[in-house]
Amino acid sequence: DAKTTQPNSMESNEEEPVHLPCNHSTISGTDYIHWYRQLPSQGPEYVIHGLTSNVNNRMASLAIAEDRKSSTLILHRATLRDAAVYYCILIRRGGSNYKLTFGKGTLLTVNP
Amino acid sequence: EPEVTQTPSHQVTQMGQEVILRCVPISNHLYFYWYRQILGQKVEFLVSFYNNEISEKSEIFDDQFSVERPDGSNFTLKIRSTKLEDSAMYFCASAGEAGQLQPQHFGDGTRLSIL
Repeated sequence: DAKTTQPNSMESNEEEPVHLPCNHSTISGTDYIHWYRQLPSQGPEYVIHGLTSNVNNRMASLAIAEDRKSSTLILHRATLRDAAVYYCILIRRGGSNYKLTFGKGTLLTVNP
Repeated sequence: EPEVTQTPSHQVTQMGQEVILRCVPISNHLYFYWYRQILGQKVEFLVSFYNNEISEKSEIFDDQFSVERPDGSNFTLKIRSTKLEDSAMYFCASAGEAGQLQPQHFGDGTRLSIL
């Protein structure tokens, strides 16, 4: 499976935008880019996913590089509730199980 | 919004005892998963379940582990003879049609403490 690389931690201020990077230089053409997050003492939570085009939903935006070797999760206005570990995960299309392989993720701290 | 529920939230068990962790997935979902997270470590895949059978399991999921969907609504994880190293948070997840890469919805977990 292709590997992802994320910074261990990032810090942001409340109500400012946050850009969380993910490198996946060995991504294959059939790999989807998924983002999950884990708030303290909770289970992981789906955030967004994409293949080639940028994606927006009510939680965040996903910007995917043209060569697909990197992506960026964008939180447009961080809130204290966005403090969590963010995971960038590749899932190969065509499988049947879509198990999630979590790395260490990026611990996002949001300052008031 | 429908959610995955897990019970109990915390289970304390003596080493060597059997434990059953329970999950109620989202009602129209077809794919079910168990993951675990040892304190301070990564979330690890244990097993996936579809159409009343295991579709994939990890190396962690040895003969001491089993899963069952006994009544069409509950999804259980059983550990037959618990070890100290089984102490972890156990998360259940469910998903709709995986062919469309539907997101997995997680419960808030059961904290299993083995004494």
